[in-house]
Amino acid sequence: LAKTTQPISMDSYEGQEVNITCSHNNIATNDYITWYQQFPSQGPRFIIQGYKTKVTNEVASLFIPADRKSSTLSLPRVSLSDTAVYYCLVGDVGENRDDKIIFGKGTRLHILP
Amino acid sequence: IAGITQAPTSQILAAGRRMTLRCTQDMRHNAMYWYRQDLGLGLRLIHYSNTAGTTGKGEVPDGYSVSRANTDDFPLTLASAVPSQTSVYFCASSYTSGGYNEQFFGPGTRLTVL
Repeated sequence: LAKTTQPISMDSYEGQEVNITCSHNNIATNDYITWYQQFPSQGPRFIIQGYKTKVTNEVASLFIPADRKSSTLSLPRVSLSDTAVYYCLVGDVGENRDDKIIFGKGTRLHILP
Repeated sequence: IAGITQAPTSQILAAGRRMTLRCTQDMRHNAMYWYRQDLGLGLRLIHYSNTAGTTGKGEVPDGYSVSRANTDDFPLTLASAVPSQTSVYFCASSYTSGGYNEQFFGPGTRLTVL
């Protein structure tokens, strides 16, 4: 399993772009990079996933350099409602595998007015 | 039912009692998971099931057991609860196992063991 490292916490202000970087030096060839968001008192929910280069959806963008040893989740023009914990995970497409995804502690993002 | 549900929402339990947390999904997902979440420790996997009839141990399986008799249900049992099992428990499911597959989470069960 590829271990991920991300900042424990970050603060930003409404209207700013927020970038959260995750390191995954031991990422394997078949691994995808996935980000989840968790609001207080709720379960995590999927935000975005990518394999290489850039992925964008209605919520965020995910930037992955060529070596794939890190990735950056970009949240454009954040609002107070983006205050949450963000988890970076890596894992592959293999089915019926015993090595499971590790969520870790995530990054606690606090948006200030 | 739409998605994944858990019951009860919360429970206060005396130490030594037996407790089963229920989880049901209606998405016909093959894989299901149980996590616990404690302040400062993030989400930790307790047990998982890749498909009906099979289960496996996660990071913190001690004191917990699971069964997967059918596709939809994945109950988590604490045979003799201890205070260190006070936590928020999340059940999740995905179409298949493997990190590529999006996991869908239930609303959680807040368990307090006294």
